[in-house]
Amino acid sequence: KQEVTQIPAALSVPEGENLVLNCSFTDSAIYNLQWFRQDPGKGLTSLLLIQSSQREQTSGRLNASLDKSSGRSTLYIAASQPGDSATYLCAVYTGANSKLTFGKGITLSVRP
Amino acid sequence: NAGVTQTPKFQVLKTGQSMTLQCAQDMNHNSMYWYRQDPGMGLRLIYYSASEGTTDKGEVPNGYNVSRLNKREFSLRLESAAPSQTSVYFCASRVGTGAYEQYFGPGTRLTVT
Repeated sequence: KQEVTQIPAALSVPEGENLVLNCSFTDSAIYNLQWFRQDPGKGLTSLLLIQSSQREQTSGRLNASLDKSSGRSTLYIAASQPGDSATYLCAVYTGANSKLTFGKGITLSVRP
Repeated sequence: NAGVTQTPKFQVLKTGQSMTLQCAQDMNHNSMYWYRQDPGMGLRLIYYSASEGTTDKGEVPNGYNVSRLNKREFSLRLESAAPSQTSVYFCASRVGTGAYEQYFGPGTRLTVT
């Protein structure tokens, strides 16, 4: 059974810092991996989708990498801002019908 | 283009009551999903519909039923609500069962007393 782990559960950084959020998964036979953002009391917003054949994907200040063989993905946030404060979830597509398995998320707080 | 919409946004039920959560998408997606999100448990799949006319159980289906009414709409029914079903429920959709990007609705916050 696929398991997705995100450590630490919470992170607090000063504004302007570059940071890396980690995601690991137990079964490397994944199709794709998706990073989401969730603001308190809101739904999930898709940030980046990395195809299994890709090594990384970029959108603005965000860069996500994927290493299938080691079962790891990272989300890099450049020049963090208070508006980046949210919970970031990693999810992998595996198995029949490519169902998503989610990590529990990392709650990020960016201090002004 | 509203994406994925859910109704209601909030609901309070008494134990044993029934209700239906509604979900609709306007992206012409084939596949639709229902998840629940609980503190410390993350998001867990309840049921999904790979395409119109089909439904399948996910990780935590007990106590729920679903109906794929048409391509746009996928409802989740609680026949006899229990306090353990207090949660935030999210509907999601994507183009198909391949590894396509998944889009989420805003959620329904359900409390069962």
